[in-house]
Amino acid sequence: GAVVSQHPSWVICKSGTSVKIECRSLDFQATTMFWYRQFPKQSLMLMATSNEGSKATYEQGVEKDKFLINHASLTLSTLTVTSAHPEDSSFYICSASDFFSYEQYFGPGTRLTVT
Amino acid sequence: DQQVKQNSPSLSVQEGRISILNCDYTNSMFDYFLWYKKYPAEGPTFLISISSIKDKNEDGRFTVFLNKSAKHLSLHIVPSQPGDSAVYFCAARVDAGNMLTFGGGTRLMVKP
Repeated sequence: GAVVSQHPSWVICKSGTSVKIECRSLDFQATTMFWYRQFPKQSLMLMATSNEGSKATYEQGVEKDKFLINHASLTLSTLTVTSAHPEDSSFYICSASDFFSYEQYFGPGTRLTVT
Repeated sequence: DQQVKQNSPSLSVQEGRISILNCDYTNSMFDYFLWYKKYPAEGPTFLISISSIKDKNEDGRFTVFLNKSAKHLSLHIVPSQPGDSAVYFCAARVDAGNMLTFGGGTRLMVKP
């Protein structure tokens, strides 16, 4: 149980375009979803926390107008990278928690390459 | 301000020997700690955890030790296997919440 999927697993987009990444909890209701970014030197950085039906809470230094997060249902959260630039190229990982547990279940990640 | 730190970015160990990965934290409100293993291009997978009421938790080849007074935890892998080669993250949370704070990760390489 507790499976989280992400789509796409890899995306290449041109600079200036927007790209949407989906995060789905497959067998549980995710009341809270988290979005992380992994930088080339390994560190996993929390970008934002989203609770179903409410606005996401962004970590300091993360531009909320650039990284749009929507958590419209208990099984789906989306991260949209708007007006992507090459420096946005990274590995984006989501995780999800259900109401009854404090555990976080991680998705497989999405590799974004902006050319 | 990094609240969770893994000071060794990499560690190389011979197969069959012990791997010890270290993690330090500064926030005394943390009372639940987790270790995750991550392969390239994959999400982290949960390995083992420990509550602050314990000082040791063991699961097969993996043991986590917690020293609350030193704000230090370590993950021991015995015996190390080549398949253990990955990046290991320690993470911490306040028990009443589900938000994790991650360390920077340690890349473990187990040589055959």
